[in-house]
Amino acid sequence: DIQMTQSPSSLSASVGDRVTITCRASQSISSYLNWYHQKPGKAPKLLIYTASSLQSGVPSRFSGSGSGTDFTLTISSLQPEDFATYYCQQSYSSPPTFGQGTKVEIK
Amino acid sequence: EVQLLQSGAGLVQPGGSLRLSCAASGFTFSNYAMTWVRQAPGKGLEWVSTISGSGDSTYYTDSVKGRFTISRDNSKNTLYLQMNSLRDEDTAVYYCAKPDCTSTSCYTQDSWGQGTLVTVSS
Repeated sequence: DIQMTQSPSSLSASVGDRVTITCRASQSISSYLNWYHQKPGKAPKLLIYTASSLQSGVPSRFSGSGSGTDFTLTISSLQPEDFATYYCQQSYSSPPTFGQGTKVEIK
Repeated sequence: EVQLLQSGAGLVQPGGSLRLSCAASGFTFSNYAMTWVRQAPGKGLEWVSTISGSGDSTYYTDSVKGRFTISRDNSKNTLYLQMNSLRDEDTAVYYCAKPDCTSTSCYTQDSWGQGTLVTVSS
């Protein structure tokens, strides 16, 4: 199975901050990398697919980049509704695997 | 609008059984493979099982093989997960999810159910 490793595991930030989360795959996954966020008690929500494509309805402050094994999710200006846990997921091969999550908390 | 409405949550003893359901609407259900993903308390997301649109092909994570059965009724637009021989470590919120394309190898989930809590405890 492909292992996905996110960093950091958690971070504290203020509204308006630029936030970056990284995700590394244990082998090359081309651009088959998705990003989700999840608020407490809620289902995950797709933000970015194929590394850099913005899901319909997702604000443009979210962006993704990378290919091969190293990927980045950037929130250009953190908003109150963005405090959540973020997961990367590889969709390159079965089984689809997730990173362990990055919790974004209010500073 | 795509909707996935789950039911079947519950408390069950180790070794017991439970069936989860996921009623779909807003898309042509039979065209899409469907997936179950779970999340243990305070933990991350784990893929559990996928079934093809026709129901002919099924896939499972190793830890549930032989104990869980995924199925679907395309006439009722409903996905199921039959869970037998439940263990403590199966305690989790279970989500059904729809992929963003129609192939069985589409692993990007663009719509999710609300989740149902399964608690395995004596």
